[in-house]
Amino acid sequence: GIQVEQSPPDLILQEGANSTLRCNFSDSVNNLQWFHQNPWGQLINLFYIPSGTKQNGRLSATTVATERYSLLYISSSQTTDSGVYFCAVPEMNRDDKIIFGKGTRLHILP
Amino acid sequence: DAEITQSPRHKITETGRQVTLACHQTWNHNNMFWYRQDLGHGLRLIHYSYGVQDTNKGEVSDGYSVSRSNTEDLPLTLESAASSQTSVYFCASSEYRATEAFFGQGTRLTVV
Repeated sequence: GIQVEQSPPDLILQEGANSTLRCNFSDSVNNLQWFHQNPWGQLINLFYIPSGTKQNGRLSATTVATERYSLLYISSSQTTDSGVYFCAVPEMNRDDKIIFGKGTRLHILP
Repeated sequence: DAEITQSPRHKITETGRQVTLACHQTWNHNNMFWYRQDLGHGLRLIHYSYGVQDTNKGEVSDGYSVSRSNTEDLPLTLESAASSQTSVYFCASSEYRATEAFFGQGTRLTVV
């Protein structure tokens, strides 16, 4: 099945810093999602981004499907950005079955 | 607003008991999924359904079962709970062939 790798696994930053999280996937996909799991365990949809670039406030995401990666950018980090960020893609030839990466744990220091 | 809800949010049960976790969505989505989340493993797929009367096994399906009798609900049953099934369980749904998935709040299950 498709492999999803996220990097870095852990990231500690000072408040106000910018960060880039990466998601690589092993096969062609026709969509990709980014989620934020907050410290209370909730999974929050950030982006549904098959290709191209989307922005939502301080967050933006870019997916280059032909090169099999996606990037999540967080600018001017706030402590509320702390948590784990997951990317998820559908398994090859089975568009409805979603496979998750292992996540990037982000800790923003005040 | 449409939503997906799980119940209970927390449960403690004893080894060997049957346990059922509920998942209810009002998105009218065809697809529903159950995942478990454990440290070091991320989210792993247990079972999934593409519609009423359809169920499929995921990568960690042993010891679990699901049934889909209507569009809104996909209950997850642990036939005989084991300590290895202590985990956080997430239910999700997505529209058929458009896989933006939406997740419930999670159920923390402890098997003692």
